[in-house]
Amino acid sequence: GEDVEQSLFLSVREGDSSVINCTYTDSSSTYLYWYKQEPGAGLQLLTYIFSNMDMKQDQRLTVLLNKKDKHLSLRIADTQTGDSAIYFCASSPGGGATNKLIFGTGTLLAVQP
Amino acid sequence: NAGVMQNPRHLVRRRGQEARLRCSPMKGHSHVYWYRQLPEEGLKFMVYLQKENIIDESGMPKERFSAEFPKEGPSILRIQQVVRGDSAAYFCASSPTGNYGYTFGSGTRLTVV
Repeated sequence: GEDVEQSLFLSVREGDSSVINCTYTDSSSTYLYWYKQEPGAGLQLLTYIFSNMDMKQDQRLTVLLNKKDKHLSLRIADTQTGDSAIYFCASSPGGGATNKLIFGTGTLLAVQP
Repeated sequence: NAGVMQNPRHLVRRRGQEARLRCSPMKGHSHVYWYRQLPEEGLKFMVYLQKENIIDESGMPKERFSAEFPKEGPSILRIQQVVRGDSAAYFCASSPTGNYGYTFGSGTRLTVV
């Protein structure tokens, strides 16, 4: 079945860049998403990329998509302590009438001051 | 626009009781999704509904769980005869078209004692 995998933990220093990686299995995924979850809160959509794109930049966020390797990454430039959270990668498997998302288990980003 | 509203935020039930979780989608959104997040896991799709219709319930446990989205009022996720394994955070999301761009609520954290 469809699967999305992420590393569990990333620690960076404030001001450095963070790169969170994700792999997915469903090659028919039309959109790929990054969500942020702060403690005790819901998920906030950070950004998404359409499957025919290689890169998308949005202020401090850069998403890279390698469709051949089914690899997605999120780069956060100038990481701040407020960026500390769990980051979820999600794919939207193509086909059918449903638009369910398949989530990874999340990467905990810890930003050290 | 108040966003996706879920209530209650926290719900404690004894084993064998019923849990009713409510979700009011964003204004103008007619597509509702329910996801479950077990401790230290990613979100798992449960069910996708449009007004008065269940579109995809492939993630719903076969017994004790049901969902509805009536013509008027919020979407309800109902869990009968709760067991300890039902303890989780339940998130609702809505979208206007069923395509990309879910908005998630803050979740209901169910604890079964």
